[in-house]
Amino acid sequence: GESVGLHLPTLSVQEGDNSIINCAYSNSASDYFIWYKQESGKGPQFIIDIRSNMDKRQGQRVTVLLNKTVKHLSLQIAATQPGDSAVYFCAVSWQGAQKLVFGQGTRLTINP
Amino acid sequence: NAGVTQTPKFQVLKTGQSMTLQCAQDMNHEYMSWYRQDPGMGLRLIHYSVGAGITDQGEVPNGYNVSRSTTEDFPLRLLSAAPSQTSVYFCASSYRGPNYGYTFGSGTRLTVV
Repeated sequence: GESVGLHLPTLSVQEGDNSIINCAYSNSASDYFIWYKQESGKGPQFIIDIRSNMDKRQGQRVTVLLNKTVKHLSLQIAATQPGDSAVYFCAVSWQGAQKLVFGQGTRLTINP
Repeated sequence: NAGVTQTPKFQVLKTGQSMTLQCAQDMNHEYMSWYRQDPGMGLRLIHYSVGAGITDQGEVPNGYNVSRSTTEDFPLRLLSAAPSQTSVYFCASSYRGPNYGYTFGSGTRLTVV
């Protein structure tokens, strides 16, 4: 089955710096990739997604990069703010999967 | 527009008790699912439904039961609670399926003693 892993369980950055959170997946058939943000005591919130026909997608202050060759996904957050402190999850899916497979999450801490 | 509503937010059960976690969505989403979240293990799929009257098992279905009599509601039943079921439970829904992302509820924190 598919496995999804994050490279670092925790990440600490200075306010105003850029953050990069990484994710690796195992199933080459995976074709849908999504990032969620989870604040303490809340449910995961959608940040951005990307499909396998794209390498890069940008949102407001966030960019997702997909490298299908090495099965790697990253989330870049520009000019991090205190409100970006949260746990970030990547998840993947594929045609017919009927589920999202989640990584274990990276806790991002923003230092003032 | 409430999105996905889960009740209760917190619950403490004794071993062997049964209970139902409620989930309702008002977005007319066909696809609904239940996940549990445990420290260091991410979110794991318990059960899911692709529409009213249709349910199927996920990765960790043992000890849980679901039904989907309406599009809006997808309750999760714990038949005989065990300490291993202590977890945070999330209900999620999607208009077209997991390949279009989920909307999550705010979760139910369950403790079994």
